[in-house]
Amino acid sequence: SSELTQDPAVSVALGQTVRITCQGDSLRSYYASWYQQKPGQAPVLVIYGRDNRPSGIPDRFSGSTSGNTASLTITGALAEDEAEYYCNSRDSSGDHSVFGAGTKVTVL
Amino acid sequence: QVQLQESGPGLVKPSETLSLTCTVSGGSISSYYWSWIRQAPGKGLEWIGYIYYSGSTNYNPSLKSRVTISVDTYNNQFSLKMTSVTAADTAVYYCVRESSGKYSRWSYWYFDLWGRGTLITVSS
Repeated sequence: SSELTQDPAVSVALGQTVRITCQGDSLRSYYASWYQQKPGQAPVLVIYGRDNRPSGIPDRFSGSTSGNTASLTITGALAEDEAEYYCNSRDSSGDHSVFGAGTKVTVL
Repeated sequence: QVQLQESGPGLVKPSETLSLTCTVSGGSISSYYWSWIRQAPGKGLEWIGYIYYSGSTNYNPSLKSRVTISVDTYNNQFSLKMTSVTAADTAVYYCVRESSGKYSRWSYWYFDLWGRGTLITVSS
């Protein structure tokens, strides 16, 4: 399968923890990466590989994988974390990249 | 630091060919994969295809018949051509660097550097 499935939207209270999931058969073979996108801006990489954060990404962002599901967790969400989050991985062939449809995170 | 900049016409007529170039500055185009990704207004991200600096390519199966990506290592640029465009191709087009790694038996790829994006409108 070449699809990655994400929940359309999730909300979290300020300072609480939220987990965003991404499901797909290819995640049994390849790690996902995660991107944060705010309106009018280019996406920003927040998690890649097993659980790696690029320089400048706060450690409240973390990633994990279990079976066919990759997760992005924001521990202690801030108002600035309100954004669209996309997962990405290769398809089962490893030749093509595929994005999930995105999860809109609202911080209440 | 390394930066990416898309360039091209903002308006393309239906049935014509969309052409975009990405200039890589502050670093070499060698040893990475270089992708084009687009985002239609109000929609999600769609991977178009990538080229390795050596010239090997791979494309989204849904766009493969209309897309060509090429690289110019001398000028540190890579380009996208998309033929027979329609209004459905109206989107922000991003040029992006893709890196890769391996942990145990797991491989992974990630888009670690993005251009600012350029809006391409298909309209007569």
